[in-house]
Amino acid sequence: AQKVTQAQTEISVVEKEDVTLDCVYETRDTTYYLFWYKQPPSGELVFLIRRNSFDEQNEISGRYSWNFQKSTSSFNFTITASQVVDSAVYFCALRVYNQGGKLIFGQGTELSVKP
Amino acid sequence: ETGVTQTPRHLVMGMTNKKSLKCEQHLGHNAMYWYKQSAKKPLELMFVYSLEERVENNSVPSRFSPECPNSSHLFLHLHTLQPEDSALYLCASSQTPILADTQYFGPGTRLTVL
Repeated sequence: AQKVTQAQTEISVVEKEDVTLDCVYETRDTTYYLFWYKQPPSGELVFLIRRNSFDEQNEISGRYSWNFQKSTSSFNFTITASQVVDSAVYFCALRVYNQGGKLIFGQGTELSVKP
Repeated sequence: ETGVTQTPRHLVMGMTNKKSLKCEQHLGHNAMYWYKQSAKKPLELMFVYSLEERVENNSVPSRFSPECPNSSHLFLHLHTLQPEDSALYLCASSQTPILADTQYFGPGTRLTVL
């Protein structure tokens, strides 16, 4: 069975702090994709990153970085120097070959960045 | 208009009403999806359409009826809903329904069933 676990339900930080959002996934498939989405209060899910199971390179995009480790089935997301605009719910998702178009989402982590 | 749009953004309906949710994508994609986001639960896939044909139906009750007249438009027709159907309904699209393609989401319709 496929599953995504985001153990942190809520995180609160003060602006300029670094914060890491954890994501652990389960699948027996060898080919899969992992995603992170951001959901601000407006409701729209904003795509942040896609990573396939054969590419374990970490990625950095501005203040965002992602650490993909197959050995621990984790795909963690770090925001450096957080800002108030980063406040949102962040979802990690998994997509495997035999599930068609289905994205399997974690329960989300609500990040609150206070000024 | 760009991206994926959804109307209405908010909808309140009684259990005996019939209403429809509309989704339109301006990305030239060929696959469209309906997801349900309930409070305290992960997003759940409801339906997948590829080139206007339904390719997946995730055991959704028949009171939800999707329609995809063309690759740019997707509807979700609602009738005799229950209060537990209150949720945020999100539409998404991707180039194709294959594994590698990223799904892009609309802003959602917040549905309240009284």
